[in-house]
Amino acid sequence: DIQMTQSPSSVSASVGDRVTITCRASQHITKYLAWYQQKPGKAPKLLIYSVSSLESGVPSRFSGSGTGTDFTLTISSLQPEDFATYYCQQVNNFPLTFGGGTKVEIK
Amino acid sequence: QVQLVESGGTLVRPGGSLRLSCAGSGFTFSDSYMSWVRQAPGKGLEWVSDIGPTGGEIYYVDSVRGRFTISRDNAKNSLYLQMNSLRAEDTAVYFCARDPQRGDGHTFNSWGPGTMVTVSS
Repeated sequence: DIQMTQSPSSVSASVGDRVTITCRASQHITKYLAWYQQKPGKAPKLLIYSVSSLESGVPSRFSGSGTGTDFTLTISSLQPEDFATYYCQQVNNFPLTFGGGTKVEIK
Repeated sequence: QVQLVESGGTLVRPGGSLRLSCAGSGFTFSDSYMSWVRQAPGKGLEWVSDIGPTGGEIYYVDSVRGRFTISRDNAKNSLYLQMNSLRAEDTAVYFCARDPQRGDGHTFNSWGPGTMVTVSS
């Protein structure tokens, strides 16, 4: 199974800050990586697919990058509605696996 | 628009059985890969099972293989998860999710609100 390791597990930031979350896969997954946002009591929402493609309707302050085993989600200017937990997911091999999550909290 | 609604979650005793359902609308259900993803209280996301459009492809996470069975009825636009021999560690919110198969792997761009399964005596 492919293990997905996210860091940090939590980050405190202020509105307007640039936030970067990293995700490392235990083996190469080429372009098959997605990022989701989840707010308390809600279903996850797809933000980024294929490493860097923005899902329709997602603000352009979200971006993804990386290749092979190391990937990054960047929020260029944090907005109040962005305080949430973010998960990466490898979407190539079964079993599909998620990272442990990164909680973005208000500083 | 795409809508997924789960049902069937409840309190069940260890060793018991439960069947979850997910009704889909707003998209061509019979063309879609569908998955179940769960989230234990206060924990992260865990993919559980996936089924191809015709039911010919089925995958499970190891922890549920042999106990859970995924199925679908395309005539009813419905996805199911039969859960047997339930354990306390199966306690979670269960989400159904749609994989639109855009050539980007198994990415989930639509999710239901989830249904809570509690396994406890």
